[in-house]
Formats: sequence, C-alpha cells, structure tokens
Amino acid sequence: QSALTQPRSVTGSPGQSVTISCTGTSSDVGGYNYVSWYQQHPGKAPKLMIYDVSKRPSGVPDRFSGSKSGNTASLTISGLQTEDEADYYCWSYRSSYILVFGGGTKLTVL
Amino acid sequence: EVQLVESGGGLVQPGGSLRLSCAASGFTFSSYWMHWVRQAPGKGLVWVSRITDTGSSTSNADSVEGRFTISRDNAKNTLYLQMNSLRVEDTAMYYCGRGTATTIDYWGQGTLVTVSS
Repeated sequence: QSALTQPRSVTGSPGQSVTISCTGTSSDVGGYNYVSWYQQHPGKAPKLMIYDVSKRPSGVPDRFSGSKSGNTASLTISGLQTEDEADYYCWSYRSSYILVFGGGTKLTVL
Repeated sequence: EVQLVESGGGLVQPGGSLRLSCAASGFTFSSYWMHWVRQAPGKGLVWVSRITDTGSSTSNADSVEGRFTISRDNAKNTLYLQMNSLRVEDTAMYYCGRGTATTIDYWGQGTLVTVSS
C-alpha cells in the first residue's frame, strides 16, 4: 500500500502561518472525509491534532486547522510557535478498512 | 486518564515470533476499535493492523498479511499482536492506539522490536 504524499519539510517563522499538504487518490483522501493529522515530537508518541478532515479534538489549539480539496488534504498552522516544531503525519481511510499514512513532514520554526 | 501501555518487544532472530501486548485503562476498552502502528528507526509511521470493538473483524496492511494477527481480550482490557515469520524489515517501534475505524485518538508510548541475527 503506497503512502500518501507529503512534502519532506516546511519552514516558518514564529507568528507566521504554514500549510502542509497531503496528496492521495480518489480511493483514499478524495473518496472519504476521513483524514487525520498527527504531531510527533522526537522520541515521543504521536498526538492527534485533526480528524475527519477538519475537526479538532478538545485541547488542540484553534491555530491548527484542516481542509480538503479533491485528492489533497491540508493542515494549516497559524501563529506559529516554537513548540510547534515537530513531524506531522496525515493519514486517511482507504477502502476495505485499510488505512494509510503520509510519509511525514518535518516542520522547522526558525 | 486514558492509558495504553505496550509490552513484549525485544530482540528476535529472523523467522522468529513475538507477541506484543497493550494494556488499556482509564476508559471502556470494549467500546473502542484498536490499532497497531509501527515506526522503523528514523522513518515514518506505518499502519499495521486494526480490530473492531468486539473483535469480530480485523484488517492488516499488505506487508504483514498472513504473518501478523491482531486480537483482543475485552475481559482483560488487553490488545495483542502476534507476529510470526519476522523479517529484518519488521524492526520498529510498535505503538498501540485507541480509536475508531478511521482515526486514533490516544497512543501508547511504544515497544521496540528488533529483528536481527
């Protein structure tokens, strides 16, 4: 099962906004509204930031938002903070109860 | 407080077997689907397997189909992953996760599996 496509890295400055894309196909991202985004700091377990494309779990700052257009989902982080520096992974439901992750994006906050 | 604690990882030779466990607490275990996700050293997350809340249905990634079996014991609040015919490329941190059919909302801290001769 091929992974979803994410940029390897993105960079932003404190206070700025960045957007991370996640491109799949009509069999996963484009076919279902079941895209989640996870944040992972080095040596730590992942943390759910967005689910069902654009829903935020309780406790996640509203600086984090998700959207989707066609076969591409996006995670936008506004008002960047230094603690946002981490790896971010998208994942999507694919038919027949298979799930697939993106390759991950390293966010650097300079 | 939701807690997921994995155990059972370790060093195993290629072709060997290992059973991972994930002890759950702080929530009604039998109400949630559960997943296993792995991460090879320095690499990205890869979904491995999932099981429904009742244990009646499972799905696996192609890379482990026929070798790994996910199961659960709702009376013991424990999730399992039986791993057979292990390969060097199965070396990874293995995380269990609580969720639904389409997301994981809580993750354990992981258990490391190393397959090497």
